[in-house]
Amino acid sequence: QQQVKQSPQSLIVQKGGISIINCAYENTAFDYFPWYQQFPGKGPALLIAIRPDVSEKKEGRFTISFNKSAKQFSLHIMDSQPGDSATYFCAASNPNTGNQFYFGTGTSLTVIP
Amino acid sequence: KAGVTQTPRYLIKTRGQQVTLSCSPISGHRSVSWYQQTPGQGLQFLFEYFSETQRNKGNFPGRFSGRQFSNSRSEMNVSTLELGDSALYLCASSFPTGASYNEQFFGPGTRLTVL
Repeated sequence: QQQVKQSPQSLIVQKGGISIINCAYENTAFDYFPWYQQFPGKGPALLIAIRPDVSEKKEGRFTISFNKSAKQFSLHIMDSQPGDSATYFCAASNPNTGNQFYFGTGTSLTVIP
Repeated sequence: KAGVTQTPRYLIKTRGQQVTLSCSPISGHRSVSWYQQTPGQGLQFLFEYFSETQRNKGNFPGRFSGRQFSNSRSEMNVSTLELGDSALYLCASSFPTGASYNEQFFGPGTRLTVL
């Protein structure tokens, strides 16, 4: 049972465009929502994270939008660059289970020059 | 500071065999988590070790086990390998801060292929 559902599975965006990846969850006990970026042959690396007490967090070209009532959160990559081509995972964690993170199934992003 | 290291990077085994994977966390990190990554399933949590004790366990059969040593290095073992165990096994370490969330730093993974 996938506790965090992620879409789309793959995404192709033109350079300079906006990439949007969406995630949804059911467990209202989740209180930390990170996004990870993974390049081929590498482990995932933390990109940006948000807690449910804010609706948006921005770091450079990357923004998380969080909708607590809808139990959804999304990653927006502004001015997408070819170097952003990677697999992106959303995740969530529950304070009762410490470092046990629940991951989405991933989105393969390709940015075309 | 060196990152999380995992050995070996690649393994090929046959059904029924057992395998041991190793993870060395970032210096000073005491928590080590293991994940299984497969296409279409994303990352699935296996277990977490902290101070040589298993703190959390995911929904995997008992064939999957792990341990942590006093220097925080961790190993995971899979016995009686099945074809479905073919996956990338990722190790992540974190420095516990007492918060409900701690940034996890992932290693490059061990690619296990079961024939």
